[in-house]
Amino acid sequence: QVQLVQSGAEVKQPGASVKVSCKASGYMFTSYNMHWVRQAPGQGLEWVGIIKPSDGSTSYAQKFQGRVTLTRDRSTRTAYMELSSLTSEDTAAYYCTRDSSGWAFDYWGQGTQVTVSS
Amino acid sequence: QSALTQPASVSGSPGQSITISCTGTSSDVGAYNYVSWYQHHPGKAPKLLIYEVTNRPSGVSNRFSGSKSGNTASLTISGLQAEDEADYYCNSYTSSTTWVFGGGTKLTVL
Repeated sequence: QVQLVQSGAEVKQPGASVKVSCKASGYMFTSYNMHWVRQAPGQGLEWVGIIKPSDGSTSYAQKFQGRVTLTRDRSTRTAYMELSSLTSEDTAAYYCTRDSSGWAFDYWGQGTQVTVSS
Repeated sequence: QSALTQPASVSGSPGQSITISCTGTSSDVGAYNYVSWYQHHPGKAPKLLIYEVTNRPSGVSNRFSGSKSGNTASLTISGLQAEDEADYYCNSYTSSTTWVFGGGTKLTVL
């Protein structure tokens, strides 16, 4: 069965960077694009970006351009999201989610809580 | 890219039907049939309910249905049940080759 397992919670200081991992299993990793979505406390879902595991091409929400980097390791079937120059507004649960190829998100990771605090 | 517009909250009694709207622009909802809907219970991962405006994934109840007219998409839940109480989000692909969510709608089952 399809599973996306994310890395554990992180606590970072303002100005630092965080890298969250998402290990995929149960399907051909390079055949489905991977998105990242976040939800800040009391806020809605927010699309961060997408990576195509087959060739590493990416697209990011304008809001995160220059601060977010999505990468992947095909050998370990793992996708990564790195967010830099963290502020308290980046405190959120971050999810990886598979693109169904129906332009939707069909499987989700369990979420990784990132807390930015001094 | 601005978030799609959803009502902040809707409510209904068990057995009733409710509809949640999702209004975008001619660059997202109106341009593509790539609108999807998600149910989100706090503390859990979101669940895909509808993709490509009207399609239900395997295992999703047929009480959930989607439609679109112009720049506005809609999710209808019929035969409301207590377990339907959750947050609901729409999402659309955009002409900027990005995706955008709605602000979310809290459904209360009275």
